[in-house]
Amino acid sequence: GAVVSQHPSWVICKSGTSVKIECRSLDFQATTMFWYRQFPKQSLMLMATSNEGSKATYEQGVEKDKFLINHASLTLSTLTVTSAHPEDSSFYICSARTSGGVYEQFFGPGTRLTVL
Amino acid sequence: GQNIDQPTEMTATEGAIVQINCTYQTSGFNGLFWYQQHAGEAPTFLSYNVLDGLEEKGRFSSFLSRSKGYSYLLLKELQMKDSASYLCAVMDSNYQLIWGAGTKLIIKP
Repeated sequence: GAVVSQHPSWVICKSGTSVKIECRSLDFQATTMFWYRQFPKQSLMLMATSNEGSKATYEQGVEKDKFLINHASLTLSTLTVTSAHPEDSSFYICSARTSGGVYEQFFGPGTRLTVL
Repeated sequence: GQNIDQPTEMTATEGAIVQINCTYQTSGFNGLFWYQQHAGEAPTFLSYNVLDGLEEKGRFSSFLSRSKGYSYLLLKELQMKDSASYLCAVMDSNYQLIWGAGTKLIIKP
């Protein structure tokens, strides 16, 4: 099956620093990648959708200048949390989707971000 | 607006059968997904239904009725490892996934 990797698995940083999270599709080309955030005991919240080579589409309420998304190739998307604050601490999950088939999303293992 | 409803939490006994329901109201419909998510992990795909009826896959089955906006996930011969959250998601007319809040399933010995 399709495999999506995420790096790092977990990260602890100081308030005010920036953190970059990578999402890679290992054995397929992902025309579309999604970034989600999940707080404890809550469901997935879509942050943004990115298509390779174009600007990401952000969901309402998500600050595009704070959560920078780059989808430079068909196998890599990055999410940069700029000037992170403790309230940004969350579980960030990416998923990737191919252009055909049933549009199934394949999820990465997630990144646990803790901002001190 | 778009809405996905599923129970918050369910409890079942090891070896038994449990049915998790999901009702939805979305702008368009391009299929319904069920995902399993263990605590601290990302969701994993369980099933996809786009036509009415029952799809069986081992111990897990998923049912869809588009006219009723209703689906259920049926888990048979429950095992302790089935303790997880089960997420219902509907793909709308824009091929975006609309997620339910998830049902936490607790399996007791």
